[in-house]
Amino acid sequence: DAGVIQSPRHEVTEMGQEVTLRCKPISGHNSLFWYRQTMMRGLELLIYFNNNVPIDDSGMPEDRFSAKMPNASFSTLKIQPSEPRDSAVYFCASSPTQVYQPQHFGDGTRLSIL
Amino acid sequence: DQQVKQNSPSLSVQEGRISILNCDYTNSMFDYFLWYKKYPAEGPTFLISISSIKDKNEDGRFTVFLNKSAKHLSLHIVPSQPGDSAVYFCAASVTNAGKSTFGDGTTLTVKP
Repeated sequence: DAGVIQSPRHEVTEMGQEVTLRCKPISGHNSLFWYRQTMMRGLELLIYFNNNVPIDDSGMPEDRFSAKMPNASFSTLKIQPSEPRDSAVYFCASSPTQVYQPQHFGDGTRLSIL
Repeated sequence: DQQVKQNSPSLSVQEGRISILNCDYTNSMFDYFLWYKKYPAEGPTFLISISSIKDKNEDGRFTVFLNKSAKHLSLHIVPSQPGDSAVYFCAASVTNAGKSTFGDGTTLTVKP
């Protein structure tokens, strides 16, 4: 049973470039979450979707960040333009329902902006 | 305002002894609590949970205790094993809110 799949696993790019992170949730899960992990801020929720609709994007740091979920099996998190302070590990997670269900995490994308 | 706090960044215990990881929360609306374990270069994985109608939940070597009046929960691992060495995250959520709030994690090291 495939888990949450994230790509790429590692991304190194120069400041100002566009970065796109991808996530394939577990089939049948209808909630999808994007997190960012840094030493300073820990694991913070950026945005989450339910049935492909963004429900809460209050954690998105600024307009340079955007997320989409065009269908139930795919989501993207885009940063444009990227800055060195965006360097972090980005996790995607999915869960079956909103109530009393744990989230299943992907292995993350380690992003380095030079 | 950090609603979920894990005040101990790290904990070291001897193999075979008990590990106790603590978590405090401030939002009295939280009614579902989870612990996740994270190994390096991997995503967090679900370990155990408890709803606010209970004060204890046990799964093998892992037990979570909830003290609602103190807004405190703890994870007990008995006996601790070297393979338990990982970062442990406490998380809390409100029913139907759809999202969880995570603590900063506690790094557990179990020495052989």
